[in-house]
Amino acid sequence: DQQVKQNSPSLSVQEGRISILNCDYTNSMFDYFLWYKKYPAEGPTFLISISSIKDKNEDGRFTVFLNKSAKHLSLHIVPSQPGDSAVYFCAAVTQGGSEKLVFGKGTKLTVNP
Amino acid sequence: GAVVSQHPSWVICKSGTSVKIECRSLDFQATTMFWYRQFPKQSLMLMATSNEGSKATYEQGVEKDKFLINHASLTLSTLTVTSAHPEDSSFYICSAKSGGSFNQPQHFGDGTRLSIL
Repeated sequence: DQQVKQNSPSLSVQEGRISILNCDYTNSMFDYFLWYKKYPAEGPTFLISISSIKDKNEDGRFTVFLNKSAKHLSLHIVPSQPGDSAVYFCAAVTQGGSEKLVFGKGTKLTVNP
Repeated sequence: GAVVSQHPSWVICKSGTSVKIECRSLDFQATTMFWYRQFPKQSLMLMATSNEGSKATYEQGVEKDKFLINHASLTLSTLTVTSAHPEDSSFYICSAKSGGSFNQPQHFGDGTRLSIL
């Protein structure tokens, strides 16, 4: 049972435009969410996170939005740059639990010059 | 900061061999380390969680006698795949986090590609 779902395996956008990566979850106990970015042959790199007490967190070009009622979060990258091309993983965890991160399958973002 | 080094990055060996993978936190003390496994086009799946000086906690379905985890110091954890077989071929990746703060993100190594012939 996939508790964290990234339904788009790939996304292609033009440089300078907005990239929107989506993530849905089923476990209502999740209350902290993270986005990781992964280049080929490298490990995932932490990008941005959001707690369930917030609905938005922004860091430079990256903004994560959380809709708890819909169990949905999204990562917005604006403006998109070619260097943003990578696989983006959404992960979720329950505070006070085992710190076990549950990952989605990832979305491969390609930003075209 | 927060660099995690994983070694080796690629291993090819014969069936029946035991393989050890090291995970080191280079610039911070990792109170907790995690071992994941990833099959092609699948998500990272947690295998086990280890805290320094104590036994690892394995996820359901992961054989503890097959995947030996040792977290002997605050900067080193090892995963040994014992008597590896072709079905153990996969991408193994470790992560580490410092302190007890919940909001500390996990920092990942670059992974180990294990191929069993």
